[in-house]
Amino acid sequence: DAGVIQSPRHEVTEMGQEVTLRCKPISGHNSLFWYRQTMMRGLELLIYFNNNVPIDDSGMPEDRFSAKMPNASFSTLKIQPSEPRDSAVYFCASSLLGSTEAFFGQGTRLTVV
Amino acid sequence: GENVEQHPSTLSVQEGDSAVIKCTYSDSASNYFPWYKQELGKGPQLIIDIRSNVGEKKDQRIAVTLNKTAKHFSLHITETQPEDSAVYFCAASMNNNDMRFGAGTRLTVKP
Repeated sequence: DAGVIQSPRHEVTEMGQEVTLRCKPISGHNSLFWYRQTMMRGLELLIYFNNNVPIDDSGMPEDRFSAKMPNASFSTLKIQPSEPRDSAVYFCASSLLGSTEAFFGQGTRLTVV
Repeated sequence: GENVEQHPSTLSVQEGDSAVIKCTYSDSASNYFPWYKQELGKGPQLIIDIRSNVGEKKDQRIAVTLNKTAKHFSLHITETQPEDSAVYFCAASMNNNDMRFGAGTRLTVKP
């Protein structure tokens, strides 16, 4: 398996634009997590899904952030409108529900100018 | 919710020495404590984990200890090597459902 695949690897966008980050979890995994990593706040859990259903989105910073998981093999994290303070590395991770190890993707480095 | 604190934020050791990173957690319901290693430009990768029914676990040069009463756990790396240089994160969760990470420790092993 290729592991968790995130796209794009890098994204530079202007303030006010919509940004969509994509994630393909490991085949067969049924839990998916979105994290944001910054120097100031470290790794923050934004939202996680079990069996494509959002379980806890209390980490989503504002209404500008939304996440979807239309099927077991795809998830998106959308920011609309984007702001410079959204600049960070966004990680997607997946695991087997009830299992222990979460596998992380390579991350998407987002820069909002 | 769970709050995980990690110390130190940076750690520099000489090759061959030991390194210790400490974490505390707040939620007594947490029962799963993994440690992740993040190399430059990559996502975090699990290196060792421990469940709350175990006090210590060892895997070659790395070991983790857990004190449930005090709500703290530690990572020990012995005989450090330059390739151990990375950022290490501790985390706590209940059954891996919503892992909360510490702020990370940047470990540098000097040759």
